Amino acid sequence: KQEVTQIPAALSVPEGENLVLNCSFTDSAIYNLQWFRQDPGKGLTSLLLIQSSQREQTSGRLNASLDKSSGRSTLYIAASQPGDSATYLCAVRGNQGGKLIFGQGTELSVKP
Amino acid sequence: DGGITQSPKYLFRKEGQNVTLSCEQNLNHDAMYWYRQDPGQGLRLIYYSQIVNDFQKGDIAEGYSVSREKKESFPLTVTSAQKNPTAFYLCASSARTETGNTIYFGEGSWLTVV
Repeated sequence: KQEVTQIPAALSVPEGENLVLNCSFTDSAIYNLQWFRQDPGKGLTSLLLIQSSQREQTSGRLNASLDKSSGRSTLYIAASQPGDSATYLCAVRGNQGGKLIFGQGTELSVKP
Repeated sequence: DGGITQSPKYLFRKEGQNVTLSCEQNLNHDAMYWYRQDPGQGLRLIYYSQIVNDFQKGDIAEGYSVSREKKESFPLTVTSAQKNPTAFYLCASSARTETGNTIYFGEGSWLTVV
């Protein structure tokens, strides 16, 4: 059974810092991995999607990497801003059309 | 604008009552999903549907029911059999694409048992 874990559960950093959020999964046979952002009391917004054949994806200040063999993904946020404060969740899909399995999320707070 | 609309945003249920949460999408997506989120937790899948008139149980389907009579609609009923229904409910949809089924979420519905 696939399990997804995110560490740390919460992170507080000063504005301007570069930071890394971690996601690990137990079954390396994944179809893709997706990172999401969730603001308090809101739905999820997709940030980056990495196919199983890819190593990384970039969007603006965000870079997500994937190492299937070790069951790990990282989300790198460069030059963090207070507006980046939110909960970040990763999710893996086992096959095309299959269900997403979510981690518990990392709550990020960027202090001005 | 294309998107997913959930209603109501806030709902209060008395013990023993069934309630239905609405989810409508105009993205022309085939697949739709219902997730439950408890405080400080990730999302858990309740039901999903990959095509009209078909749906499958997720990990925590007990006490819930769904229907998929139209492509754009996937309502969730929380029945009285669900013993701990207070949670944040999220509806989502996705399309089968070569880029890998990016999933889109609604804004969520808060259900509280009173």
